[in-house]
Amino acid sequence: KAGVTQTPRYLIKTRGQQVTLSCSPISGHRSVSWYQQTPGQGLQFLFEYFSETQRNKGNFPGRFSGRQFSNSRSEMNVSTLELGDSALYLCASSNPGTDTQYFGPGTRLTVL
Amino acid sequence: EDKVVQSPLSLVVHEGDTVTLNCSYEVTNFRSLLWYKQEKKAPTFLFMLTSSGIEKKSGRLSSILDKKELFSILNITATQTGDSAIYLCAVTYGNKLVFGAGTILRVKS
Repeated sequence: KAGVTQTPRYLIKTRGQQVTLSCSPISGHRSVSWYQQTPGQGLQFLFEYFSETQRNKGNFPGRFSGRQFSNSRSEMNVSTLELGDSALYLCASSNPGTDTQYFGPGTRLTVL
Repeated sequence: EDKVVQSPLSLVVHEGDTVTLNCSYEVTNFRSLLWYKQEKKAPTFLFMLTSSGIEKKSGRLSSILDKKELFSILNITATQTGDSAIYLCAVTYGNKLVFGAGTILRVKS
């Protein structure tokens, strides 16, 4: 089975711009979660989607949003980028009823 | 607030040494604890623990959970340079994982 894929792998943006990141889960997985990883804060939960519905949201400002499509693919969007949004954004997928989440390679976002 | 604390934060050992990584947690409605290894980018899954006292083992790695004392350990025996990585502990809270800061392990040849 193919693993979780994320595109793009690297992204450079300037402050004030917006960005959209994409995640394709493992085939058959219907839950997709997003995490932000920074050296100072570690891995922090952004949100989780299941069957196109956001079930859980972390403590991030409204500039961070996401959605899930009927094929379970997910996108996250960050508007009005700030320097502090520079991070590795990781997507993870899982099967319903199991806690094990499998991570993609991440998108490295740099905000200048 | 739910909290996961890992220790030590970093560790340098020589090939062949045995290491023990620690993870303590304070989470309401605990369901499971997971260990991941992160080398370059994607954290890769190692173990999921749900019951106290039952050791999970994979090759030179093993892990055990103590639900009474609220901690878990990850042991790596006969370490190799390929074990150099960040080891992350996470606890399930609802539909999300709450992560510790990680332990940076460096194995010198």
